Amino acid sequence: QVQFVQSGAEVKKPGASVKVSCKASGYTFTSYAIQWVRQAPGQRLEWMGWINGGNSNTKYSQRFQDRITITRDTAASTAYMDLSSLTSEDTALYYCARSRGASYNDYIDYWGQGTLVTVSS
Amino acid sequence: SYELTQPPSESVSPGQTASITCSGDRLVNKYTSWYQQKAGQSPILVIYQDTKRPSGIPERFSGSNSGNTATLTISGTQTIDEADYYCQAWDSSTVIFGGGTKLAVL
Repeated sequence: QVQFVQSGAEVKKPGASVKVSCKASGYTFTSYAIQWVRQAPGQRLEWMGWINGGNSNTKYSQRFQDRITITRDTAASTAYMDLSSLTSEDTALYYCARSRGASYNDYIDYWGQGTLVTVSS
Repeated sequence: SYELTQPPSESVSPGQTASITCSGDRLVNKYTSWYQQKAGQSPILVIYQDTKRPSGIPERFSGSNSGNTATLTISGTQTIDEADYYCQAWDSSTVIFGGGTKLAVL
């Protein structure tokens, strides 16, 4: 069965960076994209970016363009999301999720359990 | 940038039909997906490509898309359907989420 195991909760100070990992299992990692979506407490889902598991192409939301990096390690079937210059507004639950690709007819069919990132001085 | 608009909340009595709308410019030209998120849980896919149900999703969940509006319909709503529902579409290879609708079953 498709499963994602995300790294544990993080507490960071303003200005720091955080790297969240997402280990996939139960499917061929290189045949799908990994999406990163965050959700601040009580707020909506917010898309951050995706990476193609096969060719490592990425696409980022303009909102995070200058401080996000998404990478993947195919040997470990793991994707990573690195977010820099953190502020308190980055306090959120960060989800990884899977989609077949990044086309108009794609959809996100499996989600990880989320990683809580808290930014506090 | 492309936007999807949902009503913040809807309410329905158990056994009745709930309809949650999602509006966007010429949304009919895009495929819409719907996700259910219960309190403290990760989202799950309930409808994709406007009308299709993933395996394991009850038949009471259905979707449609016409003009500028996609609709998620829950027939014979049950108390377990109380959740936040998000619509989603793609625009220039970016993922767009609606603001979410909190469905109360009471």
